[in-house]
Amino acid sequence: GAVVSQHPSWVICKSGTSVKIECRSLDFQATTMFWYRQFPKQSLMLMATSNEGSKATYEQGVEKDKFLINHASLTLSTLTVTSAHPEDSSFYICSPTQGQGFNEQFFGPGTRLTVL
Amino acid sequence: AQTVTQSQPEMSVQEAETVTLSCTYDTSESDYYLFWYKQPPSRQMILVIRQEAYKQQNATENRFSVNFQKAAKSFSLKISDSQLGDAAMYFCAYGGSQGNLIFGKGTKLSVKP
Repeated sequence: GAVVSQHPSWVICKSGTSVKIECRSLDFQATTMFWYRQFPKQSLMLMATSNEGSKATYEQGVEKDKFLINHASLTLSTLTVTSAHPEDSSFYICSPTQGQGFNEQFFGPGTRLTVL
Repeated sequence: AQTVTQSQPEMSVQEAETVTLSCTYDTSESDYYLFWYKQPPSRQMILVIRQEAYKQQNATENRFSVNFQKAAKSFSLKISDSQLGDAAMYFCAYGGSQGNLIFGKGTKLSVKP
């Protein structure tokens, strides 16, 4: 299967700081990137969708000015949590896709964010 | 809007036995995919099995098989000859026209030795 990396895998930060999460598709070009969030003991919820070179589309209830998504290339997308607060503590998972349909959809290993 | 419902928060099975995890969904789309994902403690999402809605034949992958009832909008996962390594969270997911996946709340599967 395809290789997807996320960095960092775990980050602890102070309230009010910003954190950047990188997602890389190492052996394929991701035309679309989905970012999911998973709170403890809950399911994955879609936060936003981005296509390479375009602005991201955010789901209802997700603040676009707080969760900045950059999808500048076909192999790299970043999610920046700005002015993080304890309620932003969660597990963030990227899912790059290649092509259309669901034959080429993968998941990164996730990033655990803890905001103190 | 599409929804996915998993009504079993937790399930338990004896090693080597068979267990079935339930999933129902709701959609008005005619073309879609259904998935079962496994999430072990590492939290890496692992694809277990995928079903295209237009295919009547139930998908199978070794010890894993599904019972896809399109009219009833039901998509259950059967795990045969359960192994200790099968213990994990299992998520049922729907993939439709938007391209992203919609997940159920998950079922935590325990395997007893």
